[in-house]
Amino acid sequence: EDQVTQSPEALRLQEGESSSLNCSYTVSGLRGLFWYRQDPGKGPEFLFTLYSAGEEKEKERLKATLTKKESFLHITAPKPEDSATYLCAVQALYNFNKFYFGSGTKLNVKP
Amino acid sequence: DGGITQSPKYLFRKEGQNVTLSCEQNLNHDAMYWYRQDPGQGLRLIYYSQIVNDFQKGDIAEGYSVSREKKESFPLTVTSAQKNPTAFYLCASSKDSSQPQHFGDGTRLSIL
Repeated sequence: EDQVTQSPEALRLQEGESSSLNCSYTVSGLRGLFWYRQDPGKGPEFLFTLYSAGEEKEKERLKATLTKKESFLHITAPKPEDSATYLCAVQALYNFNKFYFGSGTKLNVKP
Repeated sequence: DGGITQSPKYLFRKEGQNVTLSCEQNLNHDAMYWYRQDPGQGLRLIYYSQIVNDFQKGDIAEGYSVSREKKESFPLTVTSAQKNPTAFYLCASSKDSSQPQHFGDGTRLSIL
């Protein structure tokens, strides 16, 4: 069964304390993996797309990497404004309209 | 600025009532989507549309209906047949189905 699992469910960091969020997936043919950031009461905001194993994308303090079975979102020296829920989604090759979303990691960065 | 507008932000439904959630985009995107978000669960696809006057059911279409009469608009009706409608509803669009989806800020639906 195609699915996406994110861990941990919640993560508390001190400002400046680097860490990683995990997104593991099983899908019958991966077309792309997407990372989103979601603030409370808002819609998800697109961050990155990764298409092939070994690919990396960076934006400010965030870096996303992809292997054949999982993706990591590395957060370097986080700030309180990085606090949000981070969602991962995979797009299947057999149906581009089929996106499998994980339930997210809720990140809280304390000053 | 281009974007996706969902309205209303909060909506209350009485028993036996149909309600319609609005989604408008000015991004000139062809594809539009409706998702439902429940606490502790991933987003689940309700309906999607790749072009005007065409739409397909997603994973949880029962109790919902949509229309796509204009490229910019993709309203979702939650019918009385949907027995558990309380959720956060998100509309998304993309240039085409191969591109990342961009989301509106959602409508929170509750039952009175």
